[in-house]
Amino acid sequence: DAKTTQPPSMDCAEGRAANLPCNHSTISGNEYVYWYRQIHSQGPQYIIHGLKNNETNEMASLIITEDRKSSTLILPHATLRDTAVYYCIVRVTNFGNEKLTFGTGTRLTIIP
Amino acid sequence: EAGVTQFPSHSVIEKGQTVTLRCDPISGHDNLYWYRRVMGKEIKFLLHFVKESKQDESGMPNNRFLAERTGGTYSTLKVQPAELEDSGVYFCASSARHTGELFFGEGSRLTVL
Repeated sequence: DAKTTQPPSMDCAEGRAANLPCNHSTISGNEYVYWYRQIHSQGPQYIIHGLKNNETNEMASLIITEDRKSSTLILPHATLRDTAVYYCIVRVTNFGNEKLTFGTGTRLTIIP
Repeated sequence: EAGVTQFPSHSVIEKGQTVTLRCDPISGHDNLYWYRRVMGKEIKFLLHFVKESKQDESGMPNNRFLAERTGGTYSTLKVQPAELEDSGVYFCASSARHTGELFFGEGSRLTVL
């Protein structure tokens, strides 16, 4: 699986959009970009994933650059409950063999 | 619908003792995974079941760890004998076939003294 690079920490004001970057310059053509988060000591929570098109769901949007070497997770209206560690994971998806490699992630703090 | 449930939520044992962690996946999910985070480290994959079969156990640290999933429903992870470095949080996750989303449980915290 391709390596990802994320800033260790970020702050965002409550109600504003939180934009979390991820670099994955060695991504290969069949690798997907996944985002998970871990709120405090809870289990990781799936957010979104994509291959090359931008994706949006009820939680977030995922913007992948045209060359696919980087992506941005966008939380459109951050709330205090979005304070968490966010993990960007790149891997080939076998749809049923989800061996995820978690890095150190970005610790996002939402400021009231 | 119930999520992934894990038991116990916290276990404190002495070095050399045995502990068994249990995971109940979401009903109907064929795929079951074990991950763990030891102190100060990243979350690491341990193994993957498809129904009752071990699909990938490349992350199991050593033969003190034994995972089972009899009948393809719940799974157990036994640590015997436990060592100090086994302390951490053990997460279970499940997924349906042909989806890319893992559902994680709240984890079982293991403390070995």
